[in-house]
Amino acid sequence: GEDVEQSLFLSVREGDSSVINCTYTDSSSTYLYWYKQEPGAGLQLLTYIFSNMDMKQDQRLTVLLNKKDKHLSLRIADTQTGDSAIYFCAELPYNQGGKLIFGQGTELSVKP
Amino acid sequence: DAGVTQSPTHLIKTRGQQVTLRCSPISGHKSVSWYQQVLGQGPQFIFQYYEKEERGRGNFPDRFSARQFPNYSSELNVNALLLGDSALYLCASSLEGTISDEQFFGPGTRLTVL
Repeated sequence: GEDVEQSLFLSVREGDSSVINCTYTDSSSTYLYWYKQEPGAGLQLLTYIFSNMDMKQDQRLTVLLNKKDKHLSLRIADTQTGDSAIYFCAELPYNQGGKLIFGQGTELSVKP
Repeated sequence: DAGVTQSPTHLIKTRGQQVTLRCSPISGHKSVSWYQQVLGQGPQFIFQYYEKEERGRGNFPDRFSARQFPNYSSELNVNALLLGDSALYLCASSLEGTISDEQFFGPGTRLTVL
């Protein structure tokens, strides 16, 4: 079945690292994404990783992929108050065109 | 360049009514997808269109329909509105809707059904 799961909430102090975790189900997924959504706004693509990669780093963002366990994580270094938002993990199965399957989102709260 | 635009921004309807939501893709993009995001949940795929043809459909009732026009803009129609249709409706565009194409999301239309 199709199911992407995330923990619902994460609270960190400004300057700390944040790690948001996600598990997915479709082993055929070619791309895995992290989106950010701020209140009242649409979705902003933060980063993505191709399924044949283990890690991808992009400035403060590090994505780790464990295909065996179907586990994806997003690490945000030096978290700032502006990083407070909801973060969605999404998978793109190989045989379903452009259909993204999203998790329910992790609300990140960054306290000064 | 303009991003994906959606109209209207907000909409209030009553149960049983019909609604039409509009989306204009990024210039040059030929594929449009629609997602429904109920409060507190992740977006759920409704439709994907490419070159005016339906390429994919999610698990939504027949009350939901869509179409894509020759200029690649798209409309999502929902008939016989239910309270549960209250949600943020997101449109995403991509070059050709393939798995390697990035999808760019619009700001969404917030629909409230009373």
